[in-house]
Amino acid sequence: NAGVMQNPRHLVRRRGQEARLRCSPMKGHSHVYWYRQLPEEGLKFMVYLQKENIIDESGMPKERFSAEFPKEGPSILRIQQVVRGDSAAYFCASTIGAGPDTQYFGPGTRLTVL
Amino acid sequence: DAKTTQPPSMDCAEGRAANLPCNHSTISGNEYVYWYRQIHSQGPQYIIHGLKNNETNEMASLIITEDRKSSTLILPHATLRDTAVYYCIVREETSGSRLTFGEGTQLTVNP
Repeated sequence: NAGVMQNPRHLVRRRGQEARLRCSPMKGHSHVYWYRQLPEEGLKFMVYLQKENIIDESGMPKERFSAEFPKEGPSILRIQQVVRGDSAAYFCASTIGAGPDTQYFGPGTRLTVL
Repeated sequence: DAKTTQPPSMDCAEGRAANLPCNHSTISGNEYVYWYRQIHSQGPQYIIHGLKNNETNEMASLIITEDRKSSTLILPHATLRDTAVYYCIVREETSGSRLTFGEGTQLTVNP
């Protein structure tokens, strides 16, 4: 009965490289949310996806960030040409369906940009 | 989503009940009160949620005032492992509604 899984748990990138963060939802869950927590700040919503659909990306930075949740496989948060300000903890959460279901969080990926 | 107000920090003695207050005076009728906690930068952990009635589960109890303008999370017998930031979140009863995290309350359980 695995929970939400995220990998890698820690990721180090140099400025200008790409970062790919993966999130596998709980079994039976088909909705994924991504949140970002900058150092010493609270969690901020980024994007909400269903399988093969982006439902709400109003929290995503306009450039360099993208997310997908394919029919098969994990959800991917992709950050192109990373900058130091992207250093943060990125958490995903999953729910069963589209209602106001409880969101269950993964352990997060800590991205460090050198 | 309605804004919530929580004290920035609280202390509690181990074994005693921890009562964490939350003010959500602008809550609307279709908004739930959720509580999460985050232990030392781990992923947020769901605790409990409610709409109008008081709720209890294996982790905690949630007391919501009759006018729904405030609530209290009760950890009946706090342990050192309950030291965490506790977030009170008001969330719409709509499809795909996000969680809006505030500053939360840093609860420190002392031996």
